[in-house]
Amino acid sequence: QVQLQESGPGLVKPSQTLSLTCTVSGGSISSGSYFWSWIRQPAGKGLEWVGRIFSSQNANYNPSLKSRVSMSVDTSTNVFSLRLTSVTAADTAVYFCARESVARDGALDIWGQGTMVSVSP
Amino acid sequence: DIQMTQSPSSVSASVGDRVTITCRASQGISSWLAWYQQKPGKAPKLLIYAASILQSGVPSRFSGSRSGTDFTLTISSLQPEDFATYYCQQAHTFPITFGQGTRLEIK
Repeated sequence: QVQLQESGPGLVKPSQTLSLTCTVSGGSISSGSYFWSWIRQPAGKGLEWVGRIFSSQNANYNPSLKSRVSMSVDTSTNVFSLRLTSVTAADTAVYFCARESVARDGALDIWGQGTMVSVSP
Repeated sequence: DIQMTQSPSSVSASVGDRVTITCRASQGISSWLAWYQQKPGKAPKLLIYAASILQSGVPSRFSGSRSGTDFTLTISSLQPEDFATYYCQQAHTFPITFGQGTRLEIK
């Protein structure tokens, strides 16, 4: 059973860089059938797609964040990562990692539990 | 960006009721539509993908349909565990976008 687990600091200062990792267990991150995604959710609000990565050379980002966001994959450790630069209070949210299934027409079929990130001095 | 508009934003219903939630896409997305259920403090859970295909392990009281750019999630007979927030999501065009959510409350 594939599981995803987010990790990273819960507090980031304004203008600094938010870095999160997502560890994939129970399956290989190198499978060609999946994209690895990040989604965030501010408290009490809806879901916002941040981006996804297939390999280090194949990533798609939300244009609203594109200049500040990057993702990477480490196949040796089965981990993918999110990096968001120049954060502001508007980046405060629960960040979820998720698996996007090609076979399920882009649906996000497995999610991590989420990790809360606050941007505050 | 493709806008996904859900209606209603909230609905109150009783156990055993039939409930329908609608999601309208601002442009054509074929059947690249998924539905999720989210409970407080938890990650979303995939219910339906490709507009009408039930995800493995999801009860058959959940169903989805499509008519053009209008999509519907139906719960045929509400159970206590179904009270949650529901989101639609399009995966046809980047950026992937979600509806604003529909909160299903106990009457």
